[in-house]
Parts: sequence; C-alpha cells; structure tokens
Amino acid sequence: AQSVAQPEDQVNVAEGNPLTVKCTYSVSGNPYLFWYVQYPNRGLQFLLKYITGDNLVKGSYGFEAEFNKSQTSFHLKKPSALVSDSALYFCAVRDNPMDSSYKLIFGSGTRLLVRP
Amino acid sequence: EAQVTQNPRYLITVTGKKLTVTCSQNMNHEYMSWYRQDPGLGLRQIYYSMNVEVTDKGDVPEGYKVSRKEKRNFPLILESPSPNQTSLYFCASSLSVNQPQHFGDGTRLSIL
Repeated sequence: AQSVAQPEDQVNVAEGNPLTVKCTYSVSGNPYLFWYVQYPNRGLQFLLKYITGDNLVKGSYGFEAEFNKSQTSFHLKKPSALVSDSALYFCAVRDNPMDSSYKLIFGSGTRLLVRP
Repeated sequence: EAQVTQNPRYLITVTGKKLTVTCSQNMNHEYMSWYRQDPGLGLRQIYYSMNVEVTDKGDVPEGYKVSRKEKRNFPLILESPSPNQTSLYFCASSLSVNQPQHFGDGTRLSIL
C-alpha cells in the first residue's frame, strides 16, 4: 500500500535560520507529491507539488522542496524562517495511478514553531 | 471569490441521529473529496468523487455515505453517527486528483 511518513511531530527553529520539514514516501511507480500548510482554525492551503521534471520545486511563501528518488524523500525547505511560518505542515502523495486509484494519502503532519 | 463552502462549521449531536454536512465549490472542479482530521493521525480520506455520479472509497469510509448529483455539491452523510466519528472534517476540490486541492474551513463534529 502507498504511504507517506512525516517522522517529526514538531520542528523548532529560530527566525532567520533555514528550516527543513521531512517527508518520505512509499509508492509504486512515479510519485505525485504535495505539501500543504494549515494555520489555526483554517483548512489546508497548497504550497507546492512535484509530478515530473526538476527535482527542486519552488512554491508559495518562499518554500521549496527537493524530490530525491533514491531516498524516496520530498523534504520541505526554506532558507530563512519567519515567525509567521509557524503552522502545521502536511505532506501528501497520490495513490498509485497505475492501479487507477484516485486516492490521496496524507502524512500525520509536522508542527513548525519558529521562535523570534 | 473561488471557494469551498462547508456547513455547518460546528455541530454537537447525539448518537444515531442522522446528519448531513454540505460541501459546495464554485470553481467547476471535477475532483472532490472528504477528509477527517484527528490528532496524531493527520488527514484521512473518507470518500472522493472523480465527477458527477462517480464516487469511490478512501481509506476510512465506514459509517459514511456521499453523493455527487451535481458537479458543485458533495454532501457527506452520517446515517447513524457514533462517538468515534467525533472529528474535524474537511471538504476539498480540485480540477483533477493531480492538481492542488482547495479546502473548506472545516466542520467540527461532536457526537455524544
């Protein structure tokens, strides 16, 4: 079965420092990968996606993610964190399209806390 | 304004009393989906719909029903709610499953 893992429940960084939120996946075939952010009392907002092409994907609010096929990872990064980046981040993968499945599978989420 | 609208936003009800959570989108999206969010478990997909009259189960469909009679609407039905369905529910839509999802603001259900 396809799956996605976010190994860290929480990531703490100081404002101005680089941040990384980790995501690893397990899918058959080529993965379709997404990152979303959730602010308190709101729905999720799309940040970026990888389907094919360049392994470094740039998204909203200065975030980027690096697709690494050999390590089956899709880590979210930002060169300089802001206090306003503090939120809950979700990695998601589309279920195996070869099985004609249209499911989306989300990770358990990582809370990012950026301290001033 | 492009949006996904869920109603109600909050509901407290009792075991066994049928309820419906409505979801409507104004973006002419084909793909719609329902999720539940529980602490430590992230989002889990309940049902999804590829288009009108086409629906399929996600990972946690037990105890839920959906219908897609019109493109814009995708209601979630709990025929006989139970306390283990107490959760935060999100509806989402996108042009296709490979495109970014637009999420509603959520519905917090408490079933006593």
